[in-house]
Amino acid sequence: GQQVMQIPQYQHVQEGEDFTTYCNSSTTLSNIQWYKQRPGGHPVFLIQLVKSGEVKKQKRLTFQFGEAKKNSSLHITATQTTDVGTYFCAGLWGNKLVFGAGTILRVKS
Amino acid sequence: DVKVTQSSRYLVKRTGEKVFLECVQDMDHENMFWYRQDPGLGLRLIYFSYDVKMKEKGDIPEGYSVSREKKERFSLILESASTNQTSMYLCASSFSRNTEAFFGQGTRLTVV
Repeated sequence: GQQVMQIPQYQHVQEGEDFTTYCNSSTTLSNIQWYKQRPGGHPVFLIQLVKSGEVKKQKRLTFQFGEAKKNSSLHITATQTTDVGTYFCAGLWGNKLVFGAGTILRVKS
Repeated sequence: DVKVTQSSRYLVKRTGEKVFLECVQDMDHENMFWYRQDPGLGLRLIYFSYDVKMKEKGDIPEGYSVSREKKERFSLILESASTNQTSMYLCASSFSRNTEAFFGQGTRLTVV
């Protein structure tokens, strides 16, 4: 079946350090989406990547989609305490949206 | 703003009960999803629907069924609740297959 593996499961960084989470699929994805879930909240959409090799930026966040459309990454530069939460990637196969297990980010100030 | 509303925020049910979780979206979205979220396991897809009366199994459909009689409403049914179905249940909807999903606030279900 369609699966999305996400690593690391957990990361604790000092404020100002960078953070990266990685997402891998065994099969080619139609596209990939990224979501953020704040503690106690629900997932909120961040971005969607569609094209092979695509790179998109949102302020300190950089999203990449692999050339083979099987992997993706989210990189946060100079983390802030407002970045805490769980970051999920989600792969799309037709109408089916499958989430990875998420990476929990904690930021020490 | 898109609104996805789940009928209950917290629910406590007894083992063996039939449980209904309701989800309503107000933006005429085609796709609707039910996930359960457990620590360390992320969001696991239970069922999804891409049209009225259409449904497809997700990755963990056992013990669940769904109903979509109207476009705006997607119900998750636990036929006979068991303690291993204690979890956070999240409903989501999206306009079409290549658009973002909007989530409800979640229902924390405890089966005792």
